[in-house]
Amino acid sequence: KAGVTQTPRYLIKTRGQQVTLSCSPISGHRSVSWYQQTPGQGLQFLFEYFSETQRNKGNFPGRFSGRQFSNSRSEMNVSTLELGDSALYLCASSLGQGLNIQYFGAGTRLSVL
Amino acid sequence: GNSVTQMEGPVTLSEEAFLTINCTYTATGYPSLFWYVQYPGEGLQLLLKATKADDKGSNKGFEATYRKETTSFHLEKGSVQVSDSAVYFCALLGPQGAQKLVFGQGTRLTINP
Repeated sequence: KAGVTQTPRYLIKTRGQQVTLSCSPISGHRSVSWYQQTPGQGLQFLFEYFSETQRNKGNFPGRFSGRQFSNSRSEMNVSTLELGDSALYLCASSLGQGLNIQYFGAGTRLSVL
Repeated sequence: GNSVTQMEGPVTLSEEAFLTINCTYTATGYPSLFWYVQYPGEGLQLLLKATKADDKGSNKGFEATYRKETTSFHLEKGSVQVSDSAVYFCALLGPQGAQKLVFGQGTRLTINP
Protein backbone atom coordinates (compact mmCIF):
# COMPACT_ATOMS: atom_id res chain seq x y z
CA LYS A 1 0.00 0.00 0.00
CA ALA A 2 1.42 3.40 -0.96
CA GLY A 3 2.18 5.83 1.83
CA VAL A 4 1.30 9.48 2.17
CA THR A 5 2.60 11.48 -0.77
CA GLN A 6 3.35 15.18 -0.58
CA THR A 7 4.23 17.36 -3.53
CA PRO A 8 6.34 19.22 -4.22
CA ARG A 9 9.19 18.28 -1.88
CA TYR A 10 10.82 21.69 -2.08
CA LEU A 11 9.56 25.16 -2.88
CA ILE A 12 11.19 28.57 -3.00
CA LYS A 13 8.95 31.61 -3.01
CA THR A 14 9.29 35.32 -2.35
CA ARG A 15 7.44 37.43 0.16
CA GLY A 16 3.93 38.34 -0.87
CA GLN A 17 3.45 35.36 -3.16
CA GLN A 18 1.05 32.51 -2.50
CA VAL A 19 1.71 28.80 -2.53
CA THR A 20 -0.29 25.58 -2.76
CA LEU A 21 0.90 22.29 -1.31
CA SER A 22 -0.62 18.91 -2.10
CA CYS A 23 -1.13 15.75 -0.06
CA SER A 24 -2.38 12.36 -1.21
CA PRO A 25 -3.37 10.16 1.75
CA ILE A 26 -3.07 6.42 2.15
CA SER A 27 -5.81 4.63 0.24
CA GLY A 28 -8.91 4.30 2.39
CA HIS A 29 -7.95 7.10 4.77
CA ARG A 30 -10.52 9.87 5.01
CA SER A 31 -8.78 12.26 7.39
CA VAL A 32 -5.90 14.53 6.43
CA SER A 33 -4.12 16.74 8.96
CA TRP A 34 -1.51 19.40 8.30
CA TYR A 35 1.35 20.45 10.57
CA GLN A 36 4.01 23.13 10.40
CA GLN A 37 7.50 22.31 11.67
CA THR A 38 10.00 25.04 12.46
CA PRO A 39 13.16 25.04 14.61
CA GLY A 40 11.70 27.68 16.92
CA GLN A 41 8.10 26.52 17.37
CA GLY A 42 8.46 22.80 16.75
CA LEU A 43 5.50 20.89 15.33
CA GLN A 44 2.26 22.81 15.31
CA PHE A 45 -1.16 21.67 14.12
CA LEU A 46 -2.67 23.67 11.27
CA PHE A 47 -5.97 21.96 10.45
CA GLU A 48 -7.68 18.67 9.77
CA TYR A 49 -10.08 17.68 7.03
CA PHE A 50 -12.45 14.74 7.10
CA SER A 51 -14.85 13.92 4.29
CA GLU A 52 -14.19 17.28 2.57
CA THR A 53 -15.00 19.28 5.73
CA GLN A 54 -12.62 21.10 8.03
CA ARG A 55 -13.11 19.38 11.35
CA ASN A 56 -10.39 21.00 13.46
CA LYS A 57 -8.29 24.12 13.20
CA GLY A 58 -5.14 25.29 14.94
CA ASN A 59 -4.08 28.82 15.86
CA PHE A 60 -2.85 30.12 12.54
CA PRO A 61 -3.89 33.27 10.68
CA GLY A 62 -6.46 33.18 7.91
CA ARG A 63 -3.67 33.29 5.32
CA PHE A 64 -3.42 29.56 5.89
CA SER A 65 -6.27 27.62 4.34
CA GLY A 66 -6.97 24.20 3.02
CA ARG A 67 -9.44 21.97 1.32
CA GLN A 68 -10.12 18.32 0.72
CA PHE A 69 -11.45 16.69 -2.40
CA SER A 70 -13.87 13.80 -2.78
CA ASN A 71 -10.95 11.37 -3.25
CA SER A 72 -9.55 12.55 0.14
CA ARG A 73 -6.60 14.33 -1.44
CA SER A 74 -5.94 17.62 0.29
CA GLU A 75 -4.32 20.91 -0.52
CA MET A 76 -3.19 23.71 1.72
CA ASN A 77 -2.70 27.26 0.57
CA VAL A 78 -0.71 30.05 2.10
CA SER A 79 -1.37 33.52 0.76
CA THR A 80 0.73 36.67 1.12
CA LEU A 81 3.80 34.71 2.21
CA GLU A 82 5.96 36.05 5.01
CA LEU A 83 9.57 35.15 5.86
CA GLY A 84 8.31 33.40 8.98
CA ASP A 85 6.31 30.96 6.88
CA SER A 86 9.54 29.18 5.93
CA ALA A 87 9.09 25.72 7.38
CA LEU A 88 8.63 22.04 6.72
CA TYR A 89 4.94 21.37 6.13
CA LEU A 90 3.87 17.86 7.02
CA CYS A 91 0.69 16.11 6.06
CA ALA A 92 -0.67 13.10 7.91
CA SER A 93 -3.49 10.77 7.02
CA SER A 94 -5.63 8.53 9.17
CA LEU A 95 -8.88 6.59 9.01
CA GLY A 96 -10.66 9.44 10.79
CA GLN A 97 -12.62 7.36 13.27
CA GLY A 98 -11.80 5.27 16.31
CA LEU A 99 -8.14 5.21 17.31
CA ASN A 100 -6.69 7.25 14.51
CA ILE A 101 -3.03 6.59 14.07
CA GLN A 102 -1.60 9.31 11.89
CA TYR A 103 0.85 8.41 9.14
CA PHE A 104 3.04 11.18 7.84
CA GLY A 105 4.39 12.10 4.45
CA ALA A 106 7.96 13.26 3.83
CA GLY A 107 6.88 16.89 3.89
CA THR A 108 7.24 19.95 1.69
CA ARG A 109 10.06 22.28 2.60
CA LEU A 110 9.04 25.86 1.88
CA SER A 111 11.62 28.64 1.80
CA VAL A 112 10.38 32.22 1.62
CA LEU A 113 12.97 34.75 0.46
CA GLY B 1 -5.03 22.49 27.21
CA ASN B 2 -3.04 19.39 26.38
CA SER B 3 0.75 19.57 26.39
CA VAL B 4 3.83 17.34 26.18
CA THR B 5 7.23 17.97 27.72
CA GLN B 6 10.33 16.08 26.61
CA MET B 7 13.76 16.01 28.11
CA GLU B 8 16.13 18.57 26.70
CA GLY B 9 18.54 17.43 24.05
CA PRO B 10 20.71 16.79 22.29
CA VAL B 11 21.61 13.38 23.66
CA THR B 12 24.86 11.70 22.63
CA LEU B 13 25.61 8.08 23.49
CA SER B 14 28.02 5.36 22.50
CA GLU B 15 26.85 2.33 20.59
CA GLU B 16 25.31 -0.37 22.83
CA ALA B 17 24.53 2.12 25.60
CA PHE B 18 21.16 2.22 27.38
CA LEU B 19 18.79 4.94 26.24
CA THR B 20 16.08 6.80 28.13
CA ILE B 21 14.25 9.83 26.75
CA ASN B 22 11.81 11.28 29.26
CA CYS B 23 8.34 12.42 28.29
CA THR B 24 5.58 13.76 30.52
CA TYR B 25 2.19 15.04 29.52
CA THR B 26 -0.75 17.11 30.68
CA ALA B 27 -4.17 16.17 29.35
CA THR B 28 -7.79 15.89 30.29
CA GLY B 29 -9.21 12.41 30.26
CA TYR B 30 -7.28 9.50 28.82
CA PRO B 31 -5.21 10.44 25.77
CA SER B 32 -3.41 8.06 23.45
CA LEU B 33 0.37 8.41 23.51
CA PHE B 34 2.89 8.02 20.72
CA TRP B 35 6.57 8.16 19.93
CA TYR B 36 7.52 9.29 16.43
CA VAL B 37 11.00 9.33 14.92
CA GLN B 38 12.33 11.68 12.26
CA TYR B 39 15.43 10.83 10.25
CA PRO B 40 17.29 13.61 8.42
CA GLY B 41 15.36 14.95 5.46
CA GLU B 42 12.32 12.80 6.14
CA GLY B 43 8.88 13.04 7.66
CA LEU B 44 7.75 11.43 10.90
CA GLN B 45 7.56 7.68 11.33
CA LEU B 46 5.43 6.11 14.01
CA LEU B 47 7.72 4.21 16.38
CA LEU B 48 5.25 2.94 18.99
CA LYS B 49 1.97 3.73 20.69
CA ALA B 50 -0.07 3.10 23.83
CA THR B 51 -3.76 3.79 24.19
CA LYS B 52 -4.51 3.21 27.89
CA ALA B 53 -2.88 3.21 31.29
CA ASP B 54 -0.22 0.52 31.85
CA ASP B 55 -0.08 -0.31 28.12
CA LYS B 56 3.45 -0.96 26.89
CA GLY B 57 4.24 -0.03 23.32
CA SER B 58 7.26 -1.65 21.68
CA ASN B 59 8.96 -1.72 18.30
CA LYS B 60 12.52 -2.28 16.99
CA GLY B 61 13.83 -2.77 20.53
CA PHE B 62 12.27 0.47 21.80
CA GLU B 63 9.71 0.40 24.62
CA ALA B 64 7.53 2.89 26.45
CA THR B 65 4.92 2.34 29.18
CA TYR B 66 1.87 4.56 29.65
CA ARG B 67 2.01 5.62 33.32
CA LYS B 68 -1.09 7.53 34.31
CA GLU B 69 -0.02 8.01 37.95
CA THR B 70 3.10 9.91 36.86
CA THR B 71 1.64 11.16 33.51
CA SER B 72 4.72 9.82 31.76
CA PHE B 73 5.61 7.85 28.64
CA HIS B 74 9.41 7.50 28.74
CA LEU B 75 11.16 5.92 25.75
CA GLU B 76 13.79 3.25 26.46
CA LYS B 77 16.10 0.99 24.50
CA GLY B 78 18.55 -1.45 26.00
CA SER B 79 21.31 -1.22 23.41
CA VAL B 80 21.36 1.59 20.87
CA GLN B 81 22.90 1.44 17.41
CA VAL B 82 24.37 4.11 15.15
CA SER B 83 21.29 3.73 12.95
CA ASP B 84 19.10 4.97 15.84
CA SER B 85 20.50 8.47 15.41
CA ALA B 86 17.48 10.68 14.72
CA VAL B 87 15.08 13.12 16.35
CA TYR B 88 12.45 11.55 18.61
CA PHE B 89 9.08 13.15 19.32
CA CYS B 90 6.64 12.25 22.06
CA ALA B 91 3.03 13.08 21.19
CA LEU B 92 -0.48 12.74 22.50
CA LEU B 93 -3.88 12.49 20.87
CA GLY B 94 -6.77 13.76 22.96
CA PRO B 95 -9.58 11.38 23.90
CA GLN B 96 -12.26 13.48 22.25
CA GLY B 97 -11.40 12.10 18.85
CA ALA B 98 -9.99 15.28 17.36
CA GLN B 99 -7.16 14.45 15.02
CA LYS B 100 -4.82 16.96 16.60
CA LEU B 101 -1.53 15.50 17.71
CA VAL B 102 0.24 17.57 20.35
CA PHE B 103 4.00 17.12 20.17
CA GLY B 104 6.88 17.59 22.53
CA GLN B 105 9.79 19.71 21.35
CA GLY B 106 11.79 16.71 20.11
CA THR B 107 15.03 15.15 21.32
CA ARG B 108 17.96 14.82 18.94
CA LEU B 109 19.82 11.55 19.55
CA THR B 110 23.31 10.89 18.21
CA ILE B 111 24.94 7.50 18.60
CA ASN B 112 28.70 7.28 18.16
CA PRO B 113 30.39 4.03 17.06
